Order: sequence, then C-alpha cells, then structure tokens
Amino acid sequence: DTAVSQTPKYLVTQMGNDKSIKCEQNLGHDTMYWYKQDSKKFLKIMFSYNNKELIINETVPNRFSPKSPDKAHLNLHINSLELGDSAVYFCASSQDFGSSYNEQFFGPGTRLTVL
Amino acid sequence: RKEVEQDPGPFNVPEGATVAFNCTYSNSASQSFFWYRQDCRKEPKLLMSVYSSGNEDGRFTAQLNRASQYISLLIRDSKLSDSATYLCVVGINDYKLSFGAGTTVTVRA
Repeated sequence: DTAVSQTPKYLVTQMGNDKSIKCEQNLGHDTMYWYKQDSKKFLKIMFSYNNKELIINETVPNRFSPKSPDKAHLNLHINSLELGDSAVYFCASSQDFGSSYNEQFFGPGTRLTVL
Repeated sequence: RKEVEQDPGPFNVPEGATVAFNCTYSNSASQSFFWYRQDCRKEPKLLMSVYSSGNEDGRFTAQLNRASQYISLLIRDSKLSDSATYLCVVGINDYKLSFGAGTTVTVRA
C-alpha cells in the first residue's frame, strides 16, 4: 500500500541511451512532480502536472519529457543521456494545486548513474 | 543568491542535547514554510509546517522571522533516531517549493 512508488529504484546506463522512470501515486492527489537531487543534495523541481496538464517546466533540457497518462501516473523519459544527468530523481504528489501549503509526498527515488 | 540557504553542518551532538539551526530565504513574498526530514538514501518527508507565531511538535520547535527572513528548528532531548538531514523548504509562490540543501544532524550515544 505504498503511497508514491517509482520504478526502477536503480538505473545504470551508458551515455547516449534513452531511459524511462515510472511513477504512480494511490493517494488520489491531483498534482504530481518530478524533482532532481544532485550530488550537492539540492532538490530542484523539474516538472509539475495537475490533472494530467503540465503546469511547471523549470528550464529543463528538451531531452527530458514527462508524460501523464492519468492523474495517478507521471512518467519521465530521458533521451540521449549525459554524464550530468546522474542524480536521484524523486517523484512527488500533493492534494491540490495552486497552494504551496500542501504537504508533498515523495516516492523512494530513482538513482540514475550514467557511465 | 540561492533561494534557500542552510548551514550544511554537520551538527554532532550527544543524546539528550539540544540542537538548533537556521535557514534563510531570499524571496520576501514567500508564504509557506516547512521543515522536511531526509534520512540517508531515502526520500524527504514532512517534519512540520512553520507558522508565523512559531509552533511546537513534541521535541521539535520551529520559528519564523519574516523581518529577517529566516526559519529555525530546535530539537530538544535529542534521540539517536533524530540523526538525519533537515531540509528547509519555502513556498516561493502558489505552485512551487524551493528546498535548501539541508543541515545534517548526527546524534551520538
């Protein structure tokens, strides 16, 4: 009965490959997010979706393409992986959009290593 | 200037001690403030929201100083299980949270 789940947990791949990370939440939340946490531990917002609609795109390279087939799922596809993409990627969800007062619930993270 | 800045620590304290640390934020229009906790190689989890009047949750006390644009967290009677990284989080606008890089606390027996 995990609230926010991500797959895979670990991803090791070569430069230039294309990979996807999947995220699902069973909390009934309307809003989902992708964050990147780099080696310096800063957690930075990448994308936010509300009811399948893209709301926030924080100057992320075009190689990153989120897709939300329904409001419970937000997947992240990355093309032409680069060394600098190595990081931990967290999916999160919150109940309502338009209120930064809401708690965000995070998935366990996907540790991506690009060789 | 970063939106949210924290002393990275680490703060190494014995069990039972009190430890306190701050974070500063740059956007004076920020409206919401939180402390999240992140254990090693785990996801962040909400520890507590921070209200203008200050608030307590058991051994944890959070304060907000809007004039000086800083938030503090105080942990009393530290337990081994309090060892973690504490992330200061600020609501930049209605849609976006900005996270600090975290303050690491290690409680030793």
